[in-house]
Amino acid sequence: DAKTTQPPSMDCAEGRAANLPCNHSTISGNEYVYWYRQIHSQGPQYIIHGLKNNETNEMASLIITEDRKSSTLILPHATLRDTAVYYCIVANAGGTSYGKLTFGQGTILTVHP
Amino acid sequence: NAGVTQTPKFRVLKTGQSMTLLCAQDMNHEYMYWYRQDPGMGLRLIHYSVGEGTTAKGEVPDGYNVSRLKKQNFLLGLESAAPSQTSVYFCASSRRQPQEAFFGQGTRLTVV
Repeated sequence: DAKTTQPPSMDCAEGRAANLPCNHSTISGNEYVYWYRQIHSQGPQYIIHGLKNNETNEMASLIITEDRKSSTLILPHATLRDTAVYYCIVANAGGTSYGKLTFGQGTILTVHP
Repeated sequence: NAGVTQTPKFRVLKTGQSMTLLCAQDMNHEYMYWYRQDPGMGLRLIHYSVGEGTTAKGEVPDGYNVSRLKKQNFLLGLESAAPSQTSVYFCASSRRQPQEAFFGQGTRLTVV
């Protein structure tokens, strides 16, 4: 699976958009970009995933660059409850990957009042 | 709607003791996983299963055994616990597609 690079920490004001970047320059054509978050040592929570098109759900938006070498997770109106570690993971969604996820260090997002 | 349930939530073991962690999912998922997370680090895959009766090694399998006799349950065993196995253990499950993984709340294990 391709390696990802994320900033170790970011801050955001409550009510503002939080934009979390991720670099994955070695991503291959059949690999998806997944985002998970972990709030205060709870189990990780799935946020969103995408292949090459931008994606949006009730939690967030995922913007993937045209060359697929980087992506941005957007939390449109961050709240204090969004304070967490955010993991960007690149993985093959099919075949022999069997859904295995490789977690890096992630980005610690702190949302301030 | 239980999702993924781990038992127990906390445990303290003495070096050399054995124990089994139980993971149960009620979503009829094919795939199940055991991860461990050490302080300040991301999760690392210990073992995984792609179906009932099948298991495979992950990134850090040494010192652990697993079994999946029923589709909904995935057991992680420590035959002879060591202090290096002090960690938080997470179980997860997913369908074949789109492989969104659901995680349990974790088991905090301390080996003294």
